[in-house]
Amino acid sequence: DSGVTQTPKHLITATGQRVTLRCSPRSGDLSVYWYQQSLDQGLQFLIQYYNGEERAKGNILERFSAQQFPDLHSELNLSSLELGDSALYFCASSAGRTYNEQFFGPGTRLTVL
Amino acid sequence: GQNIDQPTEMTATEGAIVQINCTYQTSGFNGLFWYQQHAGEAPTFLSYNVLDGLEEKGRFSSFLSRSKGYSYLLLKELQMKDSASYLCAVHTGGFKTIFGAGTRLFVKA
Repeated sequence: DSGVTQTPKHLITATGQRVTLRCSPRSGDLSVYWYQQSLDQGLQFLIQYYNGEERAKGNILERFSAQQFPDLHSELNLSSLELGDSALYFCASSAGRTYNEQFFGPGTRLTVL
Repeated sequence: GQNIDQPTEMTATEGAIVQINCTYQTSGFNGLFWYQQHAGEAPTFLSYNVLDGLEEKGRFSSFLSRSKGYSYLLLKELQMKDSASYLCAVHTGGFKTIFGAGTRLFVKA
């Protein structure tokens, strides 16, 4: 158990819908990362927050947005969903700048029908 | 640009040794991670190399050559449970880490 929690574990929805994925980082970690992993693909970095502020952006679509709240949990919002958005979405957290080991949550499996 | 290359798939026999290579070209370098990821599960940390050389941790060892932009993960005494994807990732600085596409390892009896 990495200490990072993600909810829900599974999500099935229809095209055009909007969903929210939630992540709670390890106790004490200020940084949260979001990744997308499609079937048989590598981890695609989406976005990173540090202590409530956006710090880095990867290949995140405009239909997707995220935020980190004062209690450090984070939410990833996916809207106007398409079939191709079906994937595993991982959240990871890390503590410091110099080492930056990332601890991954169990992921949310999103299926868009 | 940023580039991390790993073989897509490898197959090895139970009890054998396998070496998974990773080459990288990145704009910065603080260290290199190896993660293990079983299908449908979260990646888990295996190693982090900052300095050149070999670091051994049980059946797993990781090597780094910063001048060559090269690393490898060595798995000894392979077990069936080692069948997984192995992700090479470069910590380029600050909070930025770039992941390779991963190498899927199949261990056969």
